[in-house]
Amino acid sequence: ILNVEQSPQSLHVQEGDSTNFTCSFPSSNFYALHWYRWETAKSPEALFVMTLNGDEKKKGRISATLNTKEGYSYLYIKGSQPEDSATYLCAFNLGAGNMLTFGGGTRLMVKP
Amino acid sequence: KAGVTQTPRYLIKTRGQQVTLSCSPISGHRSVSWYQQTPGQGLQFLFEYFSETQRNKGNFPGRFSGRQFSNSRSEMNVSTLELGDSALYLCASSLDRGWDTQYFGPGTRLTVL
Repeated sequence: ILNVEQSPQSLHVQEGDSTNFTCSFPSSNFYALHWYRWETAKSPEALFVMTLNGDEKKKGRISATLNTKEGYSYLYIKGSQPEDSATYLCAFNLGAGNMLTFGGGTRLMVKP
Repeated sequence: KAGVTQTPRYLIKTRGQQVTLSCSPISGHRSVSWYQQTPGQGLQFLFEYFSETQRNKGNFPGRFSGRQFSNSRSEMNVSTLELGDSALYLCASSLDRGWDTQYFGPGTRLTVL
C-alpha cells in the first residue's frame, strides 16, 4: 500500500503571509509527483508535474521543489491572498500510465 | 479548448440500483482516469482507460466497471449500489504518459439512499 502524506492538514494564515506545505511519498520507484489546487465547488486544478530530483517549478506566487531521494516535495505560496484559499493536493505516480495516489490534502484558509 | 465534461452532475439512486456516469475528455486526450472522493477516504483511483483498454485498476470491487469508446469518451458503471458508494466521482483526461498533466472534470455527485 502506497502512503502519500501531507502536512499540515489545515492552515490558517493572514493575507500577505508566506506559507509552505509538505508532501511525503515513497522514495523508491518514483515516476512523477503532481500538485493540484482544489477550490470548493470547482474541479481540481493542476499546478505542477515534477519528475526530476531537484526539480523546482514556479507559477506566479506558487513554487514547488522535489527531493526524490528522501521522498518529499514542498509547495510554497509567497504573499498569500484570500483567493489562494483552497485544498492543496499532491499525488504520486508509481509508473507508466495515469494511476495517481493522492495525499489527504492541506486545507489553506487565508484571512483578509 | 473545451475542458473535461461529466454528466450527469448530480444523481440520486437507491440501494441495489445501478448507475452509469459519463466523461468526455479534452480533445486529443486518449487517457481517461476515474477517481472516487469521499470525506473519509479522500481521492482514490478507480481505473484508467487508454485507447479503449483498461490500463490500470485500483482496489475497488468488481461492481465498479468502466469502458472507453473509440472517441475516447468513457463511462463508468456501478452495479448493485450500496450506501457507501455515495461520493463525488471525478474523471481526468491526459495525453498519455504518467508525467502528463491530468485535467479533471467537475465531477458527478452520487447519492445512494
